[in-house]
Amino acid sequence: DQQVKQNSPSLSVQEGRISILNCDYTNSMFDYFLWYKKYPAEGPTFLISISSIKDKNEDGRFTVFLNKSAKHLSLHIVPSQPGDSAVYFCAASANGAGSYQLTFGKGTKLSVIP
Amino acid sequence: DTGVSQDPRHKITKRGQNVTFRCDPISEHNRLYWYRQTLGQGPEFLTYFQNEAQLEKSRLLSDRFSAERPKGSFSTLEIQRTEQGDSAMYLCASSLAAGGTSYEQYFGPGTRLTVT
Repeated sequence: DQQVKQNSPSLSVQEGRISILNCDYTNSMFDYFLWYKKYPAEGPTFLISISSIKDKNEDGRFTVFLNKSAKHLSLHIVPSQPGDSAVYFCAASANGAGSYQLTFGKGTKLSVIP
Repeated sequence: DTGVSQDPRHKITKRGQNVTFRCDPISEHNRLYWYRQTLGQGPEFLTYFQNEAQLEKSRLLSDRFSAERPKGSFSTLEIQRTEQGDSAMYLCASSLAAGGTSYEQYFGPGTRLTVT
């Protein structure tokens, strides 16, 4: 069973517009959530994270929103730039349960069109 | 610091051979993780170390897989009697064990394994 789901395999956005990437989870023990960006033939690069005690975290152009009751989080990128084109992975961990492993979704490929 | 490094970047081996990969974490990080990623999937957790102690292992880590982290510095992942299903990208990550950013894992570039 997939505990972290990214239901959109791909997303295309015009340069300068907002990109919204979505992620759903099923495990109520998850208490920390992260977004990673991955280019081909490279390892994932950490972007932004959020603890379950918060509902929003912002870092420059990137904002992550967490809705615990819906078990849903989203990553907003504003404004989108061509260099943002990559695969984005949502990940979660259950740190309060003493488990530090990350559980990843399958990723969403973002294409930012100039 | 140059980040997490992995060696080799690519490995092609024949079925049945043994392979070993190395990971050097960010120097001040005391947690080290191994993941495996196949095409179209997100990374899947294999195992993690805090210092030299192996604290978590996934059921994906069959008896043919073994990981070590002697002296709590670099780590090795060995796969014995490789099978074609072992073909994947093997990723290493590291993190701190304490502090506000302790849950953020930083990944290396990965080792691409192809078993023929």
